[in-house]
Amino acid sequence: QSALTQPPSASGSPGQSVTISCTGTSSDVGGYNYVSWYQQHPGKAPKLMIHEVSKRPSGVPDRFSGSKSGNTASLTVSGLQAEDEADYYCSSYAGNNIVFGGGTKLTVL
Amino acid sequence: EVQLVESGGGLVKPGGSLRLSCAASGFTFSNAWMNWVRQAPGKGLEWVGRIRPKTDGGTTDYAAPVKGRFTISRDDSKNTLYLQMNSLKTEDTAVYYCTTYDRGYFDCWGQGAQVTVSS
Repeated sequence: QSALTQPPSASGSPGQSVTISCTGTSSDVGGYNYVSWYQQHPGKAPKLMIHEVSKRPSGVPDRFSGSKSGNTASLTVSGLQAEDEADYYCSSYAGNNIVFGGGTKLTVL
Repeated sequence: EVQLVESGGGLVKPGGSLRLSCAASGFTFSNAWMNWVRQAPGKGLEWVGRIRPKTDGGTTDYAAPVKGRFTISRDDSKNTLYLQMNSLKTEDTAVYYCTTYDRGYFDCWGQGAQVTVSS
């Protein structure tokens, strides 16, 4: 059982928006602004998409955005494209360790 | 360009040992916080542990499932990170990723090294 809770799946049609939630506790998500999101295509290493709740690394499309409210963080993918189909993982700093969500498989219909 | 290249993976029997290496380039390795993250087959990501740069004490932290069995070390003269894994269990079977780390996130990842623990 993962420390952070994500829905196992999400889907949307090309051009639509999808939001993936990530629920933790006050000891992780709610306690720090150190939530990050990773995209992983099959057989590939994860790729950082969002860090510190809402910051996008250079090269990540602005279709990807992050936010947080209380103990729940969210990743929104706007203007869905076929290449966005992948697994997405959230992560949070939790003091002396780092915790991950169980992952959400995003399907572009 | 930042590059992280893991090596040393393989098949090992339960109770055995294995050492992974991660060769780093494209950044100042000696100043970097470095981590290991693993992914069991068909499962999600799991943080394994981290090592601070010597300027921050060079100390380590580990996830509960590996504490006391795994040891992370670094050789700044070789720009290399290590993961020594002892008393391996079947549940340690996973792809192990070497990552850089900054303010709570893993910004660069290696391609991963497969570790299989099986009799």
